[in-house]
Amino acid sequence: GQQVMQIPQYQHVQEGEDFTTYCNSSTTLSNIQWYKQRPGGHPVFLIQLVKSGEVKKQKRLTFQFGEAKKNSSLHITATQTTDVGTYFCAGQGGGATNKLIFGTGTLLAVQP
Amino acid sequence: DSGVTQTPKHLITATGQRVTLRCSPRSGDLSVYWYQQSLDQGLQFLIQYYNGEERAKGNILERFSAQQFPDLHSELNLSSLELGDSALYFCASSRSLGNTIYFGEGSWLTVV
Repeated sequence: GQQVMQIPQYQHVQEGEDFTTYCNSSTTLSNIQWYKQRPGGHPVFLIQLVKSGEVKKQKRLTFQFGEAKKNSSLHITATQTTDVGTYFCAGQGGGATNKLIFGTGTLLAVQP
Repeated sequence: DSGVTQTPKHLITATGQRVTLRCSPRSGDLSVYWYQQSLDQGLQFLIQYYNGEERAKGNILERFSAQQFPDLHSELNLSSLELGDSALYFCASSRSLGNTIYFGEGSWLTVV
């Protein structure tokens, strides 16, 4: 079945450093979504990418969807303590079911 | 507040028991999803409903069942509970298939 892997599992950075998490799917995706889960909270939608090679920016966050629509990345520039949390990618396959399969997540810790 | 309501927020029960988790989707959302989150398994997709019908099944155990009612609320039934079923169970909803999903705050289940 469809699997979505993320690396790294955990990243510890100093405030002000950049951070990147990578997401890889075993199958081609119709779209990919990114969610952030703060400690003790629930996943919150950040963005959806649909087109091959698409790049979207939200302030210090840059999201990219691979040309083959099987991988994606999230890059945070100059991290802040408010960026702490687990970042999940979620891949949606094609077909009638449109199951949304979440990646394994990357836990980001930011040291002030 | 995502608009997705889950009850109960916390539940402690004994092994072998049965519990029901309830979810009210956002107003106007037709699709409901259930996810299980435990420390070592990330966000595991369990099942998805759309307008009362089952659309997709993930790693849902046979001891678990779910349904979506005509008023679109959903229930997840967990029976013959085991210690390993202790987890955070999230419900999420979306307007239709392929849309962004919005998570509730989750139901913490502890099996003792």
